[in-house]
Amino acid sequence: AQTVTQSQPEMSVQEAETVTLSCTYDTSESNYYLFWYKQPPSRQMILVIRQEAYKQQNATENRFSVNFQKAAKSFSLKISDSQLGDTAMYFCAFMNPPYNQGGKLIFGQGTELSVKP
Amino acid sequence: GAVVSQHPSRVICKSGTSVKIECRSLDFQATTMFWYRQFPKKSLMLMATSNEGSKATYEQGVEKDKFLINHASLTLSTLTVTSAHPEDSSFYICSARPTDSYNEQFFGPGTRLTVL
Repeated sequence: AQTVTQSQPEMSVQEAETVTLSCTYDTSESNYYLFWYKQPPSRQMILVIRQEAYKQQNATENRFSVNFQKAAKSFSLKISDSQLGDTAMYFCAFMNPPYNQGGKLIFGQGTELSVKP
Repeated sequence: GAVVSQHPSRVICKSGTSVKIECRSLDFQATTMFWYRQFPKKSLMLMATSNEGSKATYEQGVEKDKFLINHASLTLSTLTVTSAHPEDSSFYICSARPTDSYNEQFFGPGTRLTVL
């Protein structure tokens, strides 16, 4: 079964600095999808960034970028110029291809990020 | 953007009663919806996959007779917690996958259930 591991339960960063959140996963599939979701105190899940495994180029969304290392099964999230509003729980998630388990998301344990002024 | 609503946002009920939670996709059709449970400071645990017009698929360890799921239309799925007990108290989140997309899911704001 696929697993997703986030080894950093808590992290903190000073405002305007850069922070990297780690995520590793385990799968025997070659084509799959990876996601980072943000869950602020409101508890609304918000998609931060998405990566398709067959694309070698790392995804970027404004201040958010990923370092996708397929061979190492690693998918880290870099947040640049951290802002107070980035304070949230961040979840890494894995999704199988369509022919395997119908699009279910498998979540990591989460990393609680605090951005300090 | 795609919006998913949940109703109610929070509910308190007595032990032994049943509670229904609605999940609606407001501006898109969703053949598939997912129901998750989340404990404080913990990750989301998938409970079941709800497919429009067919029976839900439950994850291992989830009691299908306790957590009844109905997906009667392309925009509505309901989760009914039957004979609720205090250990069912939790935060329940739904997500909806657009019919014309595979790798997207949009999440509802969640429902906090407290069973006294």
